[in-house]
Amino acid sequence: GENVEQHPSTLSVQEGDSAVIKCTYSDSASNYFPWYKQELGKRPQLIIDIRSNVGEKKDQRIAVTLNKTAKHFSLHITETQPEDSAVYFCAASKGGYQKVTFGTGTKLQVIP
Amino acid sequence: DAGVIQSPRHEVTEMGQEVTLRCKPISGHNSLFWYRQTMMRGLELLIYFNNNVPIDDSGMPEDRFSAKMPNASFSTLKIQPSEPRDSAVYFCASSPSIAGNEQYFGPGTRLTVT
Repeated sequence: GENVEQHPSTLSVQEGDSAVIKCTYSDSASNYFPWYKQELGKRPQLIIDIRSNVGEKKDQRIAVTLNKTAKHFSLHITETQPEDSAVYFCAASKGGYQKVTFGTGTKLQVIP
Repeated sequence: DAGVIQSPRHEVTEMGQEVTLRCKPISGHNSLFWYRQTMMRGLELLIYFNNNVPIDDSGMPEDRFSAKMPNASFSTLKIQPSEPRDSAVYFCASSPSIAGNEQYFGPGTRLTVT
């Protein structure tokens, strides 16, 4: 089955700096890669996703890149703010009736 | 839209007791997922349904765990008998399809087994 690895497990940045979280996946047939944000005590919520026919996608301060050849994808947050502090999960899926497999999460701390 | 509804939000029970967690997915969503989240193991998929039919239950840890979806608007996750290591936050999520679409998570049920 699919295996998703995520690094780093924790990340501290100064407010205003950029943060990068990286994930790798094992199944080359995976074609859907969502990112979820989970604030302390809250539920995971989708913040951005990318499909295999696209190499990069941006939404304001958040961007995701995908390298299908290397089977890795990354989340980039620019101009970080304290409210970006949360746990971020990457995930991968092959679509259809296949499940979404989550990474182990990255705890991001933005220091004011 | 009320979103995914889970009940109870908190459950404290003694080892050996039966626990039933409930979930109401978003109307019109035909896929439903049960997850367990702990510090040690992260977010684990236990089982998922499509059109009320279980598709993959390989994540269910033991026979003590069972899940049902009798209709499109209701699902249960049952643990019988419960054990302290079952203590976790259990999330239910629904989606318009199995994959390739956003999963909408419920608020979770925090289960504590003493």
